[in-house]
Amino acid sequence: EIVMTQSPATLSVSPGERATLSCRASQRIGINLAWYQQKPGQAPRLLIYGASTRATGIPARFSGSGSGTEFSLTISSLQSEDFAVYHCQQYNTRPPWTFGQGTKVEIK
Amino acid sequence: QVQMQESGPGLVKPSQTLSLTCTVSGGSISSGDSYWSWIRQPPGKGLEWIGYIYYSGHTYYNPSLKSRLTISVDTSKNQFSLKLTSVTAADTAVYYCAREQRGSGTLGYWGQGTLVTVSS
Repeated sequence: EIVMTQSPATLSVSPGERATLSCRASQRIGINLAWYQQKPGQAPRLLIYGASTRATGIPARFSGSGSGTEFSLTISSLQSEDFAVYHCQQYNTRPPWTFGQGTKVEIK
Repeated sequence: QVQMQESGPGLVKPSQTLSLTCTVSGGSISSGDSYWSWIRQPPGKGLEWIGYIYYSGHTYYNPSLKSRLTISVDTSKNQFSLKLTSVTAADTAVYYCAREQRGSGTLGYWGQGTLVTVSS
């Protein structure tokens, strides 16, 4: 099973600032990586797939990068609605798909 | 727009079977373009992929749960279901159903989730 490790566990950022979240895979996964946003009491929402392609309706301030084992999600200028937990997920070759433990982005 | 809704008991006793159903609306479960998935999230923890089913009945399970898990589909009702046997407190979680576009690996539509607590 591929283990996904996210860092940091919590990121404190002021509104308008830039946030960068990291995700590492225990083995190479190409660009088979997705990012999800989850707000309290809600289901996750797909933000990014293919490591860098935004899902439908996702604002351009969200961007993803990376390949192989190292990935990042950047939010260029944090809006109030962006404070949430972010999960990465690998979907390389065949299941089981696995998720990171999540990074909480909180207001500084 | 596909919508998904989980239903089932919110409390299950240890050693018993957890049973949940996901009802799909706004699209046909038999369309052939989707894998119908279950994911869970223990309180305060990360997400765990449980498994998926294709409308034909083909399944793929997480090996960590495979011995206790059955996912089934009822195309006539546009529903799919999860059964997890011999549950313990470690199975307490919010259970989500979701749709994976076939071959994509990504989960684009989710139900709102339902909390299942395992306790006597």
